[in-house]
Amino acid sequence: QKEVEQDPGPLSVPEGAIVSLNCTYSNSAFQYFMWYRQYSRKGPELLMYTYSSGNKEDGRFTAQVDKSSKYISLFIRDSQPSDSATYLCATRSNDYKLSFGAGTTVTVRA
Amino acid sequence: DAGVIQSPRHEVTEMGQEVTLRCKPISGHNSLFWYRQTMMRGLELLIYFNNNVPIDDSGMPEDRFSAKMPNASFSTLKIQPSEPRDSAVYFCASIRGGERLYGYTFGSGTRLTVV
Repeated sequence: QKEVEQDPGPLSVPEGAIVSLNCTYSNSAFQYFMWYRQYSRKGPELLMYTYSSGNKEDGRFTAQVDKSSKYISLFIRDSQPSDSATYLCATRSNDYKLSFGAGTTVTVRA
Repeated sequence: DAGVIQSPRHEVTEMGQEVTLRCKPISGHNSLFWYRQTMMRGLELLIYFNNNVPIDDSGMPEDRFSAKMPNASFSTLKIQPSEPRDSAVYFCASIRGGERLYGYTFGSGTRLTVV
């Protein structure tokens, strides 16, 4: 079993819709939670990060962590075609090693 | 800030040949990571350097893979001999110690195809 499970999709939504992405993880030692965005033929770029449980909002993006259920979510409001990318969740404990989900490919249709 | 720079962007080579991938981390970043990304296995950590010293190479798939970091501004990942199953995108990432909460900065990757 992988440490981080993520539905690879693909997910296709119309412009303006809310995109909901989710991951589950197995290691209760994970304390840091991140979402990366990866455009085609590019490296992943850090989009959001949270520490422990709770919500974090940044513009149209909201990241949620529920440590009791080991569940990570990312919501994109008012989605735009420029949001079309692969979104990867990532977690780690207190050491350096990130564990990544498989990534969910999102297409926002104009 | 030029970001993490990787070269070449694309590499096509024949099975059995030696392949060398190169990475220049962000200036001032003292930790460097090599990752491999495939459709089947996603992003996998191959090796981690801290202050130019290899700390964890448990992700290196086999002895055909080797990595070096001769100085703070340069690292190489070498595959010798290469095999078709090594075909993947190889990413280098760096981070400044103490900023781990913010995650890594990735390069644009090297797309390797072994035929």
